[in-house]
Amino acid sequence: DVKVTQSSRYLVKRTGEKVFLECVQDMDHENMFWYRQDPGLGLRLIYFSYDVKMKEKGDIPEGYSVSREKKERFSLILESASTNQTSMYLCASSSPFRFYTGELFFGEGSRLTVL
Amino acid sequence: KQEVTQIPAALSVPEGENLVLNCSFTDSAIYNLQWFRQDPGKGLTSLLLIQSSQREQTSGRLNASLDKSSGRSTLYIAASQPGDSATYLCAVGIQLSVGFNKFYFGSGTKLNVKP
Repeated sequence: DVKVTQSSRYLVKRTGEKVFLECVQDMDHENMFWYRQDPGLGLRLIYFSYDVKMKEKGDIPEGYSVSREKKERFSLILESASTNQTSMYLCASSSPFRFYTGELFFGEGSRLTVL
Repeated sequence: KQEVTQIPAALSVPEGENLVLNCSFTDSAIYNLQWFRQDPGKGLTSLLLIQSSQREQTSGRLNASLDKSSGRSTLYIAASQPGDSATYLCAVGIQLSVGFNKFYFGSGTKLNVKP
């Protein structure tokens, strides 16, 4: 079974803390994505990466950074957590469209609460 | 910019009914369209993937159709069961460049199947 694994299902952090959300996929996918999901706002793209060490800003990158040192791992970093970053964070991966179906696979999500 | 709309936002039906969920998108230059299921507090689970060259896909009681020219997709659920209660999201995949994908999501249809 294909798998996208997010390291933490639930986190509680304090304002100003640095937060790391880790995501690992076992499908050798080039493309990886970080979304946040909030009631009434749907899924919003934070950052994505199409190769190792490559990253692109999504629609709401402010307050976030990412790291992709290995193909299978994509990390989301909150340099200084704020209460408005309380949300569900979802990691996803897909193969590029050129030779593959491009099916998108999601992890189980990480529920972050910032106090 | 691609916009994806899902109607209705919520749907409540008695068990056993056949039902249709709708997804529309504004730009027909898509690579694929994917339907997902999301249970409360969980990640998204892929249900069906339709490539742009295909008209429909089936899996068990689920059938998804795609009409690219009109910018529409439908998810048909036959003989609905209480276990089908979840939020259903559609996403269209766009190829930004070779090896570089992006996905646009609808806001979902929340389905409640009553016993």
